[in-house]
Amino acid sequence: KAGVTQTPRYLIKTRGQQVTLSCSPISGHRSVSWYQQTPGQGLQFLFEYFSETQRNKGNFPGRFSGRQFSNSRSEMNVSTLELGDSALYLCASSVTGISGELFFGEGSRLTVL
Amino acid sequence: GNSVTQMEGPVTLSEEAFLTINCTYTATGYPSLFWYVQYPGEGLQLLLKATKADDKGSNKGFEATYRKETTSFHLEKGSVQVSDSAVYFCALTAENSGGYQKVTFGTGTKLQVIP
Repeated sequence: KAGVTQTPRYLIKTRGQQVTLSCSPISGHRSVSWYQQTPGQGLQFLFEYFSETQRNKGNFPGRFSGRQFSNSRSEMNVSTLELGDSALYLCASSVTGISGELFFGEGSRLTVL
Repeated sequence: GNSVTQMEGPVTLSEEAFLTINCTYTATGYPSLFWYVQYPGEGLQLLLKATKADDKGSNKGFEATYRKETTSFHLEKGSVQVSDSAVYFCALTAENSGGYQKVTFGTGTKLQVIP
């Protein structure tokens, strides 16, 4: 059974640019959630999508957005990048949602210069 | 809001030593509690969980008991191995005002086991 796949694994952007990250969940999982991991702040919840609807959102500015497609694949977009957006972005999929077992991808490491 | 506090790392132990990683939480309602582990270069994976007070989660020799009276969920293992070297995250999920679950992670504790 294929795991959660995130692309790209590494990327470098400059301030002011935007970036789109992709997450393909485990087959049959309808929930996809996104997290930002940094050394200083640890792992912070961004948002969760379930059946194409955003169910919950963390405390991040509107520059961070996401969507989910009918095949459960999800994308996350960050606009007007700032240096502080440099982080490992993880996505996780789940059958029922974030209250159940989360299956994480390996992450997309974003560096903003 | 909800919060999870973990002991600062890194924790360095010799092989076969006893491990305790402390985790305390604050949350409204009745949260579920989790321990996730992240091995180098990998994503997080669920280690164990407990969904109500006094429940004990266990997996791969690790245990944690949901203590509502002390709002704690400490992770323990009787004899650690080099292969247990990883970062351990305590987490909770709780229902928000909209009726949906929200997850909160601790900052993680790095464990290094030396032979």
